[in-house]
Amino acid sequence: EVQLLESGGGLVQPGGSLRLSCAASGFTFSNTAMSWVRQAPGKGLEWVSGISGSGGTTYYADSVRGRFTISRDNSKNTLYLQMNTLRAEDTAVYYCGKGAYSSSYYSRVDVWGQGTTVTVSS
Amino acid sequence: QSVLTQPPSASGTPGQRVTISCSGSSSNIGTNTVNWYQQLPGTAPKLLIYFNNQRPSGVPDRFSGSKSGTSASLAISGLQSEDEADYYCAAWDDSLNGHVVFGGGTKLTVL
Repeated sequence: EVQLLESGGGLVQPGGSLRLSCAASGFTFSNTAMSWVRQAPGKGLEWVSGISGSGGTTYYADSVRGRFTISRDNSKNTLYLQMNTLRAEDTAVYYCGKGAYSSSYYSRVDVWGQGTTVTVSS
Repeated sequence: QSVLTQPPSASGTPGQRVTISCSGSSSNIGTNTVNWYQQLPGTAPKLLIYFNNQRPSGVPDRFSGSKSGTSASLAISGLQSEDEADYYCAAWDDSLNGHVVFGGGTKLTVL
């Protein structure tokens, strides 16, 4: 069974940093593109970032480019999102998502984690 | 303001057929495939339709998707109370180095 388990969320002050993790199991992680998608309270879904199975290709939403970094450790079957210079508008539930292929089709998220909550507030 | 445009709400009675539209542009829906997600209250989203009109295993055939030009639609036939949820369309967008765009979401109410 495919499972994605996010962790690392919490309360952080504006300008602070946080690193999210997503532990994956039940599929060949190194062959699978992964994404982060967030949802602000009471709002819709917003794609944040995607990474190819090898980790060699990354994509970012304009709203986070230059502040967030997506990475992966295929030896640990774990996806990461390093978030720096956090703003109040980054407050959201962050979901980890499994793609369907090693690269491309990042808009197709086959399996979603349960999400981890990030709150940016002083 | 989302790049893909969906109606904020839709409704229908049990057994009815409802459709939800998703309007984009040549840089997203016009050249890339569309996916649809269902988000039940308090839960993570779930993939409902991929490659414009394909259903993952386990998704009832009451759900169907279509695409024409720069627009896409999700149709739900034989509406059931458990279909009450938020629905989102998503597609790759070739602009700005490439990124994924979502619709703003449609809240479906089963009357």
